[in-house]
Amino acid sequence: EDKVVQSPLSLVVHEGDTVTLNCSYEVTNFRSLLWYKQEKKAPTFLFMLTSSGIEKKSGRLSSILDKKELFSILNITATQTGDSAVYLCAVEHGNKLVFGAGTILRVKS
Amino acid sequence: IAGITQAPTSQILAAGRRMTLRCTQDMRHNAMYWYRQDLGLGLRLIHYSNTAGTTGKGEVPDGYSVSRANTDDFPLTLASAVPSQTSVYFCASSDQRTGAGADTQYFGPGTRLTVL
Repeated sequence: EDKVVQSPLSLVVHEGDTVTLNCSYEVTNFRSLLWYKQEKKAPTFLFMLTSSGIEKKSGRLSSILDKKELFSILNITATQTGDSAVYLCAVEHGNKLVFGAGTILRVKS
Repeated sequence: IAGITQAPTSQILAAGRRMTLRCTQDMRHNAMYWYRQDLGLGLRLIHYSNTAGTTGKGEVPDGYSVSRANTDDFPLTLASAVPSQTSVYFCASSDQRTGAGADTQYFGPGTRLTVL
């Protein structure tokens, strides 16, 4: 059965801290792994990863994929209160996405 | 219209009633999807459509039906709602014509449905 597991389930940090969110997966016919940020409503796209070891970076956010160990991490440095959200990991197989349950991040000022 | 819209924003429904959730996109994406999001379970795929005129079942299709008469619209129907269908429903679309698969999915704002 295809599954995507995210950890931790929730996390509370202070502004300025660095956080690492984890995503492990077991999916047949893997094509890509995606990270989304969900605030009050719709998830918004952050990164798509297809190759191992190549870091994707956008501002204070970065992500990397390990296809041998079947996991990805999302790093956020110098966190801000605006980073508070649910972070979703999804793995594409065929033409569909399988989502993890998400990590709830709260950044306190 | 810009992107994906969903209607209604929220709805309270009596069990046994029929309900259609609407989804419209103006990006000419060929693929569209319906998910439900429940606490602790993440997003689960209900139904999808790779192109107008075709649909497929996702992970949790029971109790739901969809149609794709044209590229822009992808309504989700609950024929006889039950309390376990209380959830937040998201519609999404993606452009698969490049052959890149599900790639980046763009999500609508969601519909919060409560079945009593």
